[in-house]
Amino acid sequence: AQSVTQPDIHITVSEGASLELRCNYSYGATPYLFWYVQSPGQGLQLLLKYFSGDTLVQGIKGFEAEFKRSQSSFNLRKPSVHWSDAAEYFCAVVSNSGYALNFGKGTSLLVTP
Amino acid sequence: DAGVTQSPTHLIKTRGQQVTLRCSPKSGHDTVSWYQQALGQGPQFIFQYYEEEERQRGNFPDRFSGHQFPNYSSELNVNALLLGDSALYLCASSIRGGVGTEAFFGQGTRLTVV
Repeated sequence: AQSVTQPDIHITVSEGASLELRCNYSYGATPYLFWYVQSPGQGLQLLLKYFSGDTLVQGIKGFEAEFKRSQSSFNLRKPSVHWSDAAEYFCAVVSNSGYALNFGKGTSLLVTP
Repeated sequence: DAGVTQSPTHLIKTRGQQVTLRCSPKSGHDTVSWYQQALGQGPQFIFQYYEEEERQRGNFPDRFSGHQFPNYSSELNVNALLLGDSALYLCASSIRGGVGTEAFFGQGTRLTVV
């Protein structure tokens, strides 16, 4: 089954510093990958998605992600983090059936002044 | 344009009781999926409804059931509640669902079972 792993449970960065959140996916045909963000007590907001084509994907709020098939990775990056980026970030992959999203356990981002 | 709306926002139930959660999809969307998010975990897929039928089901017991109405809104029912059912329940809507479609999530219903 298609699955994703987020190796980092918590990450702390200083405001203005760069950010990279890791996501590794399981082997399969071309995966359909997503990054979502969840602020405390809120639902999930889609940051970006990768289906095919250009391996560098641009999203909202200044985020980007790069699909690397050789490393089975889809890492999320931002060049300069803002305090408002503090939230929970989830990587997800479409299941084999094509209808469900399989989520990672999430990475909690803390931004310090 | 209203996004995905869920009701209620919070709910407290006693073990053994039954609960119904409601979801109205984003305008123009016809597919509704339900997810359970336990504390500190990622969301887990419960099931998806399309054309008023359950199209796919995740690894959840039969105590979890659902319904989709002709106006595409949906309900999630959980019977014989267990303490372990305490979680944030998220509804997501999309157009036709499936690969290549984007799912929009609601704010969720926080269910506490005591």
